[in-house]
Order: sequence, then structure tokens, then C-alpha cells
Amino acid sequence: AQTVTQSQPEMSVQEAETVTLSCTYDTSESDYYLFWYKQPPSRQMILVIRQEAYKQQNATENRFSVNFQKAAKSFSLKISDSQLGDAAMYFCAYITSYGATNKLIFGTGTLLAVQP
Amino acid sequence: KAGVTQTPRYLIKTRGQQVTLSCSPISGHRSVSWYQQTPGQGLQFLFEYFSETQRNKGNFPGRFSGRQFSNSRSEMNVSTLELGDSALYLCASSSRDSYAEAFFGQGTRLTVV
Repeated sequence: AQTVTQSQPEMSVQEAETVTLSCTYDTSESDYYLFWYKQPPSRQMILVIRQEAYKQQNATENRFSVNFQKAAKSFSLKISDSQLGDAAMYFCAYITSYGATNKLIFGTGTLLAVQP
Repeated sequence: KAGVTQTPRYLIKTRGQQVTLSCSPISGHRSVSWYQQTPGQGLQFLFEYFSETQRNKGNFPGRFSGRQFSNSRSEMNVSTLELGDSALYLCASSSRDSYAEAFFGQGTRLTVV
């Protein structure tokens, strides 16, 4: 069974600085999809970034980028130029590419605080 | 385009009662998934529907059930409520049948007393 681990329950960053959130996963599959979701205090989960395992190039979305290390099964999220609005719970998630499914397997989350 | 709508937003029920939660996906989305979020267990997958068929079910007791209608709206039902069922229940819809971006609703906060 696949598992996702986020070892940092809480992180803090100064406004305008850079922070990296860690995520590791365990799977025997060679093809899959990885996601970072953000859950602000409003509770609504929002997709931050997505990575296909077959792509070697790391995904980037504006100030958000990932460092995907397939062999190490690592998928970290880097937030550059942090803003107050980035404060939220961040979840790393996995979807298998085998079989038809949209089932997400989530990590336990990292609560990010942004200090002004 | 309207987002995923979950109703009600808040609910208080007594132990032993049953509850039905509703989820209206984004128009055109046929895939709906449900998740339970608690401080202790985190986000756990409940079940997934696609075109009115349940494709996957998480490791929850039979008291948890769901269905999807022909218009893709979905309901989940919890019978014989227990205190431990208190949680935020999140619904997500996706535009494709597989490994697609999930769009989440704001959730239903269920409190069992």
C-alpha cells in the first residue's frame, strides 16, 4: 500500500523569504501523480502544484516549485517570496496511475506560519 | 463556473442518530470523492463515485455509505452516529475519471454529541 509522510508538523517563515516543505512517499509503482494541496483557515483545499512521476522536469507554478527525486521518493515544495496569504496547512498527496481512480492518499500535513 | 457545493456547512447530531450530507460537483464533473478529516487521523478517503458507480471504498465501517445520482450529485450517509464520527467531511470533484486535479468543497463540519 502507498503511504505519504510529512515529517514537519509545523514550519515558520518570514515574509518575502523562502521555505521548503518536505514530503516522502512509499510505493512500489513506477507511475503515479503527486500533488501539493493548501488548506487555509477557510478549510477549502486548493491545488498548489502537480507532478507526473514520468516527467523528470520539476513542476513550477509562479512562486511555487517542487524538487521531485523519484529514486529517493521525495517530493518537496519550495515557496519563494513568501506572502502572508501563504499561511495555511499544506498537504502532500499521491494518486496511483494504475486503474481508474481519483483517490488521493494524503500526508499528515505541515502547518505553515508566515511572520510579517 | 460554480465550485463544489456541500450542504449543510455545519451539523450537530446526537449519538445514535443518522445523518445525510450532500455534495454538488462542478458542472460536467462526473467523479466525486469523499474524505473525512480529523485532528487525530488526518485526511482519510471514504469512497469515490464515477457515473453513479462506486469505484473505491476506504476502510470505514458499513455505517458509512454513499451514492451518486444521474446528475453527478452525491450524498453520504452515516447511520448510528458515534462520538468519533465528529469530523470535517470534504467532497471533491474531478473532471476526468483518473488522476485528475480534485476541486474541493468547503466541507461539512459534523459534531456528534
